Amino acid sequence: GAVVSQHPSWVICKSGTSVKIECRSLDFQATTMFWYRQFPKQSLMLMATSNEGSKATYEQGVEKDKFLINHASLTLSTLTVTSAHPEDSSFYICSARAYGTGLQPQHFGDGTRLSIL
Amino acid sequence: GESVGLHLPTLSVQEGDNSIINCAYSNSASDYFIWYKQESGKGPQFIIDIRSNMDKRQGQRVTVLLNKTVKHLSLQIAATQPGDSAVYFCAENSGGYQKVTFGIGTKLQVIP
Repeated sequence: GAVVSQHPSWVICKSGTSVKIECRSLDFQATTMFWYRQFPKQSLMLMATSNEGSKATYEQGVEKDKFLINHASLTLSTLTVTSAHPEDSSFYICSARAYGTGLQPQHFGDGTRLSIL
Repeated sequence: GESVGLHLPTLSVQEGDNSIINCAYSNSASDYFIWYKQESGKGPQFIIDIRSNMDKRQGQRVTVLLNKTVKHLSLQIAATQPGDSAVYFCAENSGGYQKVTFGIGTKLQVIP
């Protein structure tokens, strides 16, 4: 149980293109999803917290107009990197927390490797 | 706190030996801790968790120890296998039920 699917797993595109990444919880409902960015040999950096039906909460230093997040349902959140440039190349990972009260772990997708030429 | 721009420490262990991976956390108000395993090119995989009202929890071949006095967390892996080779992250939950902060990670290399 608690499977999170992320799509696409790899994308290469030209500078100036906008790229959409999908994150789906396959077998549970997730009121909260998280988006992380990870550089090689480094830890995960939280970009934003996405709550179903409301605006995402962005971490300090993350441009909300650059990284658009939509969480339209209890099983789907999307991250759109707008007008991507080479410096946006990175490994983007989403996670989801199952609906319900109490402390419980986030479950992660397998990430999207974004390469901007 | 957040880890930025740091290279991962590496732990090399002989196959069959026990591994101990350590983590120091910064927020004394953190009430929930999780260990994740990340293999190359994949997302983190949940291993085991522990709440702050406990000091030890055991799973299959893994044990997590929590020392709140010195804000230290450890993951013990018994009879380490080649498939255990990965990067291991500790994560702490603070600020309510939402935000989780990841440690810098430790790369575990299992020597056959």
